[in-house]
Amino acid sequence: EIVMTQSPATLSVSPGERVTLSCRASQSVPSTLAWYQHKPGQAPRLLIYGASTRATGIPARFSGGGSGTEFTLTINSLQSEDFAVYYCQQYSRWPRTFGQGTKVEVK
Amino acid sequence: EVQLVESGGGLVLPGGSLRLSCAVSGVTVSTNYMSWVRQAPGKGLEWVSVVYGGGTTFYADSVRGRFAISRDDSKNTLSLEMNSLRTEDTALYYCVRDQSGGGGMEVWGQGTTVTVSS
Repeated sequence: EIVMTQSPATLSVSPGERVTLSCRASQSVPSTLAWYQHKPGQAPRLLIYGASTRATGIPARFSGGGSGTEFTLTINSLQSEDFAVYYCQQYSRWPRTFGQGTKVEVK
Repeated sequence: EVQLVESGGGLVLPGGSLRLSCAVSGVTVSTNYMSWVRQAPGKGLEWVSVVYGGGTTFYADSVRGRFAISRDDSKNTLSLEMNSLRTEDTALYYCVRDQSGGGGMEVWGQGTTVTVSS
């Protein structure tokens, strides 16, 4: 299976800052990469698919980049509602696999 | 609006069985990629299984041979039959509808909790 590795495990940031999360695939997944936001007590929410396309209703401060094995999720001007855990996931091959997550917390 | 409502979770002994269900509204299960994803306590998300098309299924290595995904087109429901349950299967199980053609996981239910414990 394709192993997805996210870094860092935790990011401590202040509101208004810009953050970049990384995701690496153990083999190429072209652009079949999605990002999700997950808050406690809520269902995960699809943010980005196709590595760089925002899902419906996702604010423009969220952007995705990369292809092949290296991907990033950037959040510009972090808002209070953005503190959460973020997961990348490949859908190039079965089984689909998630990264272990990056927690974005208040500094 | 697409809505997914899971049910069937509960407490079960190791080695036991449980069947989860997901009532789907707003889309037809037979024409969509429908998945189960779980999250164990304190852990990340883990993809479990998918069914799509004419009944094609795939499973995570951790559940293959023990779990079976199915759908009832007449009732528009998704199910997950779980057998030989282990303590490590304890998790919140989400029913998910994928994007058309099997892209990102677009719509999620609120989940149902499975606890495997003696």
